[in-house]
Amino acid sequence: DAKTTQPTSMDCAEGRAANLPCNHSTISGNEYVYWYRQIHSQGPQYIIHGLKNNETNEMASLIITEDRKSSTLILPHATLRDTAVYYCIVRVAGANSKLTFGKGITLSVRP
Amino acid sequence: DAGITQSPRHKVTETGTPVTLRCHQTENHRYMYWYRQDPGHGLRLIHYSYGVKDTDKGEVSDGYSVSRSKTEDFLLTLESATSSQTSVYFCAISIGSTDTQYFGPGTRLTVL
Repeated sequence: DAKTTQPTSMDCAEGRAANLPCNHSTISGNEYVYWYRQIHSQGPQYIIHGLKNNETNEMASLIITEDRKSSTLILPHATLRDTAVYYCIVRVAGANSKLTFGKGITLSVRP
Repeated sequence: DAGITQSPRHKVTETGTPVTLRCHQTENHRYMYWYRQDPGHGLRLIHYSYGVKDTDKGEVSDGYSVSRSKTEDFLLTLESATSSQTSVYFCAISIGSTDTQYFGPGTRLTVL
């Protein structure tokens, strides 16, 4: 069962904000929203995660709706190096908690 | 950068030969994981470890064994490699209060 739904692909212009949506309508109260990305041939890279409040770090911002059924990852100033597959994952905290990568969304940043 | 290295980064081997992949972390994180990534399957957990000599199976553990004799090293062994084990292998560690997983650079294994 897919816990998250993401568009297959999107693109944006270099320097502009990239807004990547994710639906997780069946999320449980103790599940976090995680975002990872994978640049071709590299290991998955952790970006950000949150429970219900919006979060920001040096890479991105995570906006979670009040009902927690969807979220948006925002890359404020996309660069060509941000071209990658982005994965939205929901999971409970805990080292034994499964991390399940779906198909993700392919973001292409164009010059 | 979570201080994870994997070796070798690339390996080509023949069916039936033993292969060992190494994951090394520079900090004393308790949990370490081995995943494989294949087209159409995403990342799948092979084995994980929750301490020295403490390991458990993941969803695709058949044909693989692991060992952890030191906190910093987690070894994945293919006792007798098969072509179906051709894949990219990633090691990960978990850090922090929510056990966020961080991944290594990967090992590309080809079994001929």
